[in-house]
This record gives sequence, structure tokens and C-alpha cells, in this order.
Amino acid sequence: DTGVSQDPRHKITKRGQNVTFRCDPISEHNRLYWYRQTLGQGPEFLTYFQNEAQLEKSRLLSDRFSAERPKGSFSTLEIQRTEQGDSAMYLCASSLAQLNTEAFFGQGTRLTVV
Amino acid sequence: GDSVTQMEGPVTLSEEAFLTINCTYTATGYPSLFWYVQYPGEGLQLLLKATKADDKGSNKGFEATYRKETTSFHLEKGSVQVSDSAVYFCALTPSGNTPLVFGKGTRLSVIA
Repeated sequence: DTGVSQDPRHKITKRGQNVTFRCDPISEHNRLYWYRQTLGQGPEFLTYFQNEAQLEKSRLLSDRFSAERPKGSFSTLEIQRTEQGDSAMYLCASSLAQLNTEAFFGQGTRLTVV
Repeated sequence: GDSVTQMEGPVTLSEEAFLTINCTYTATGYPSLFWYVQYPGEGLQLLLKATKADDKGSNKGFEATYRKETTSFHLEKGSVQVSDSAVYFCALTPSGNTPLVFGKGTRLSVIA
């Protein structure tokens, strides 16, 4: 297992288009998290799953954002009708559902909306 | 809500200098505290953690002590190397098993 992988690494899209990102967590990890990071800021929590159940969504996650983890393995994050303000690095992390366990991060998908 | 405040960067040090990056937090209950590091071109990696008051986390020469009385978790290293150049993030989980809340990050540059 090579860790958390995200695809694509970079995405440039025109305003108004839909985009979808994929995250493959470490195989035995049952928790999967999505974060967004803008320049000069720390990662901001968006949503997370335990197995296939979406346990929490941040109020940052507008109705244009949707995330799924259909079989409790990989996850997708879709942004509909992208806006320039959506330009950011989207990070995925995974962990075991245990107290104080380490979250392992992918390298992120950088989205640029033009 | 829960939050983390880190000292503003960038921080530039000469090799072998002493490093302190300040971190304070606001949280209800008893959070767990973490330092993550992001090297250029890489993903975030856990550097160290502490799960209760007075615990000291340590790794790769870095240390941080969980100070509940001052709500702080300052990162220190006695002698930095060029390879320590990275962005450092202080973070907490409010109850040890919930999503991380991050500070804004502090960029460290170490020059030879």
C-alpha cells in the first residue's frame, strides 16, 4: 500500500463546469476525510465518512458540493457549477476509527477555476 | 468553536539555531493536540502528538508539551537543519476521534 492517493493532482476548469475528484485511502482505514486548503491557510474540514456512512458535513460545504463513499473504500468529491472561489487544494485523509490515531494525508488535488 | 492560533511566518533561521513555533488553542473539553509538517511537494505528515495535559510529544528532535493551564502546544527543536524547511501546522481534535482543526501554518526556512 502506497498511502492515500488522489486523482487528479491538478484540475483546471471553467467557471460553471462540474468537477469530480477521487480519493483512494489506505486499504484498512475505515475513516476518510475531505479538507480544503487555500493559499496561506491551514486545511479546513469539509466532510468525513466512516465506512460508507457520511458522519459530518461542515457548513463550509455548500449545496454544490457532494461527497460519496459508496462501498466504504474510495471516495469522490463533486463540485457542481464551479465558482472562482472554489479554487483551492482539496485534501483527502484516512485513518482508523480509534482515539488519537494518526490521519494520513494524500498530496491533494489542486483546483483552478478560470 | 474550537480553534488553533499559530505564530505568523515565515520564520528564517540559520542551521543549528534553536526553533520555537508558538501554538495556542481554544477548545471545550479535553482535546488531543498534534503537529503536522508539509515538506515541499509532499502531503501533510504527522510530526508528533500529545493526548492529555502535561504529555510531551517528540519526534525527529522536535518536541511539544501539552500545557492546559496556558492552552498551548509550542513546537521546539534545539538545532534545526536545512532539511527541516517546511510548513508546520498545529492542530487539535476536540475529542480525540473527530476531524482535525488546523492552524494557518508556519513556514520555516533554514539556511546553511
